[in-house]
Amino acid sequence: DAGVIQSPRHEVTEMGQEVTLRCKPISGHDYLFWYRQTMMRGLELLIYFNNNVPIDDSGMPEDRFSAKMPNASFSTLKIQPSEPRDSAVYFCASTLRPGPYEQYFGPGTRLTVT
Amino acid sequence: AQTVTQSQPEMSVQEAETVTLSCTYDTSESDYYLFWYKQPPSRQMILVIRQEAYKQQNATENRFSVNFQKAAKSFSLKISDSQLGDAAMYFCAYRSGEFGNEKLTFGTGTRLTIIP
Repeated sequence: DAGVIQSPRHEVTEMGQEVTLRCKPISGHDYLFWYRQTMMRGLELLIYFNNNVPIDDSGMPEDRFSAKMPNASFSTLKIQPSEPRDSAVYFCASTLRPGPYEQYFGPGTRLTVT
Repeated sequence: AQTVTQSQPEMSVQEAETVTLSCTYDTSESDYYLFWYKQPPSRQMILVIRQEAYKQQNATENRFSVNFQKAAKSFSLKISDSQLGDAAMYFCAYRSGEFGNEKLTFGTGTRLTIIP
């Protein structure tokens, strides 16, 4: 399997622009997670899905952020409008089932908002 | 809410030596899972080792082992025979055992340097 796929790997955009990050989980995995990593806040969970349904979005910072999972093989994280403080590395992860099972992370998208 | 604390922002070890990274956590739950993830410069997050709280035996994976002290809420990672490829950020993480709660809570990380 190719692992979790994220695109783009790097994104540079200007403040106020819309940004869309994409993720393809490992085939057959029922859970998908979006994380954000910054120097100030470390790694934090933004939202996760089970069978394409959002389960916990308490980590989504504000209304400018939205996430969707239209089918089992694709998810998006959208920021509109983007702000410089959104600059971070955004990771997508997936896992087959709950409990002790490993969350497999994608390579991340480094977002820079100028 | 659960918290995970890694008190060592940076550690260094001589190649082939042993190093221990510390992690403590705070929870009121009795059922949970603990993980160590490695993040090399490529930034890819890689699972190193996991521990189920109900298991008394400490987990081991080749050169990596943990010292799990449930009463003390401590979960340290020992790396034996350190290799240059072990250089990375190491994150301790907690997941509740509550069904349906899949949130991973991470510590702030320890940057490990291997000295040749």
